[in-house]
Amino acid sequence: GEDVEQSLFLSVREGDSSVINCTYTDSSSTYLYWYKQEPGAGLQLLTYIFSNMDMKQDQRLTVLLNKKDKHLSLRIADTQTGDSAIYFCAERSGNTGKLIFGQGTTLQVKP
Amino acid sequence: NAGVMQNPRHLVRRRGQEARLRCSPMKGHSHVYWYRQLPEEGLKFMVYLQKENIIDESGMPKERFSAEFPKEGPSILRIQQVVRGDSAAYFCASAPSGTGSAEQYFGPGTRLTVT
Repeated sequence: GEDVEQSLFLSVREGDSSVINCTYTDSSSTYLYWYKQEPGAGLQLLTYIFSNMDMKQDQRLTVLLNKKDKHLSLRIADTQTGDSAIYFCAERSGNTGKLIFGQGTTLQVKP
Repeated sequence: NAGVMQNPRHLVRRRGQEARLRCSPMKGHSHVYWYRQLPEEGLKFMVYLQKENIIDESGMPKERFSAEFPKEGPSILRIQQVVRGDSAAYFCASAPSGTGSAEQYFGPGTRLTVT
């Protein structure tokens, strides 16, 4: 079946790097995503990676994909207090493009 | 370019009433996905629609829930005879095409509270 798992909580100091991890089960996933959700808000698409790629970098964000282990990570360099939010990993599943989400990782950034 | 719009943003209904949630996709997008987020949980897929067609409703509860995306106007998620367990945030996402596009853009959500 389809399942996406994330750790629930991460706390870092401002200026440090944050690494949020995710594992998924569907080996046929074509795309994997990271979304950010601030309190009371919708989901903001941060970045996504095609399944035949190992890494994608976009400014402070680096996504690493280990397809063999079905492991995805999001690294945020120079983490700021404005990065405090819930981060969701998602895989695209099946033929219709629906997304399967993890339960979200709450990132707390301490000044 | 306006993003995905949802209304109302907040909706309060008594048990047994009907809830209607609306989603207007981004301009040029003809594919809509609905997701539900229960408190403290991730999002769960409900239904995928194209204009005038339901493509995948594998995540929809069998009773009381229905969705449509007419040729004109927004997509509607309808919940009949609401119960307390329906209290959640309901998000829609739009895409220019279904399997052909990687990106899904989410609206701000409708937060439904059933009293």
